Amino acid sequence: SQKIEQNSEALNIQEGKTATLTCNYTNYSPAYLQWYRQDPGRGPVFLLLIRENEKEKRKERLKVTFDTTLKQSLFHITASQPADSATYLCALPGGSYIPTFGRGTSLIVHP
Amino acid sequence: NAGVTQTPKFQVLKTGQSMTLQCAQDMNHEYMSWYRQDPGMGLRLIHYSVGAGITDQGEVPNGYNVSRSTTEDFPLRLLSAAPSQTSVYFCASSPDGDQPQHFGDGTRLSIL
Repeated sequence: SQKIEQNSEALNIQEGKTATLTCNYTNYSPAYLQWYRQDPGRGPVFLLLIRENEKEKRKERLKVTFDTTLKQSLFHITASQPADSATYLCALPGGSYIPTFGRGTSLIVHP
Repeated sequence: NAGVTQTPKFQVLKTGQSMTLQCAQDMNHEYMSWYRQDPGMGLRLIHYSVGAGITDQGEVPNGYNVSRSTTEDFPLRLLSAAPSQTSVYFCASSPDGDQPQHFGDGTRLSIL
């Protein structure tokens, strides 16, 4: 069956460092992959979408890579700030391209 | 634009009661979905709709009903609430299947 794996352990980093989060998947050949941010008590907020023919995408301090051979996406936040602390979710298309989500990784940026 | 609006924000029910969670969007999006989020389980898809009059089941549809009579509204009905349905419910919408999802802020539901 299709599976999306994100590290369940929280990632703790110091302010100013680069945070790297991983999303691995199996039994998928996704046309795209999305990353969302979720703050406590709020709904997820869309960050970036990368398509299968794109290796890398950037938006301000965010960078996403997509390796369809390794079946992996990496999500980077450069010059991280305490305000970047949140849970980050990756999502792949399911039936009718409705996203299926990973369980998310919590990022904690320490001042 | 209000985006995706979910009501109520909080609700406590007794086992066996029924209720409807409301979801409305003002972005003229064709696709709408309902997810539930439980600790350690992530977001799981309950039902979705790709347009008015069209609905389909997701990963965990049992115990829930949906209908889509208008583009704007996509209510989720709990027919006979069970403690296993205690969760946070999120509604989402998007213009198309491969477009970003816009989420509401959720309904926190407790079933006693």
